Amino acid sequence: ETGVTQTPRHLVMGMTNKKSLKCEQHLGHNAMYWYKQSAKKPLELMFVYNFKEQTENNSVPSRFSPECPNSSHLFLHLHTLQPEDSALYLCASSQDSTVNNEQFFGPGTRLTVL
Amino acid sequence: TQLLKQSPQFLSIQEGENLTVYCNSSSVFSSLQWYRQEPGEGPVLLVTVVTGGEVKKLKRLTFQFGDARKDSSLHITAAQPGDTGLYLCAGGKRSQGNLIFGKGTKLSVKP
Repeated sequence: ETGVTQTPRHLVMGMTNKKSLKCEQHLGHNAMYWYKQSAKKPLELMFVYNFKEQTENNSVPSRFSPECPNSSHLFLHLHTLQPEDSALYLCASSQDSTVNNEQFFGPGTRLTVL
Repeated sequence: TQLLKQSPQFLSIQEGENLTVYCNSSSVFSSLQWYRQEPGEGPVLLVTVVTGGEVKKLKRLTFQFGDARKDSSLHITAAQPGDTGLYLCAGGKRSQGNLIFGKGTKLSVKP
């Protein structure tokens, strides 16, 4: 397996459910990111981890909870979501969080909240 | 406030035509990246430009960074159906450390 992988690819959940999104990168990178991509909006940065430390929380509601146990894995724990949270959630990684570094994206998890 | 404005929002052309899409801002960026995203996939980096006035070519794609590092353009020559996708520009600022994305240009190239 190479690059950045995300599971599941599709997820449908009710507002009272708890679920987790998983991201894994096989590139030896030290920075990992969660983005939200909604229709008609720019990609929104949610969280940044650099060397396993969270360096950015872009005013994300607490119903989204990230976890980075090591430099290769990133999780996004979801609970009591709202229908407006339905979107494509993208994970990315880069060598570190320096702005000029190339970010490699996973295929995303398409989330639908009923 | 939309920091990076991409135009046009949608573009549908025939195979073989040339096209240019734009990424404009009132802010100065230390770097600008272009990505292409196909349906059901994540964005894939095409190019990074860092110097004002820089021009980079990737086969039939030509990328230019404005002299003032506030804008960029992507020109595609003799477009092919495989060029279909969402083209995203993303600006980087050293002071912020993260990329700011535009909404993208959705390109459709018909055979």
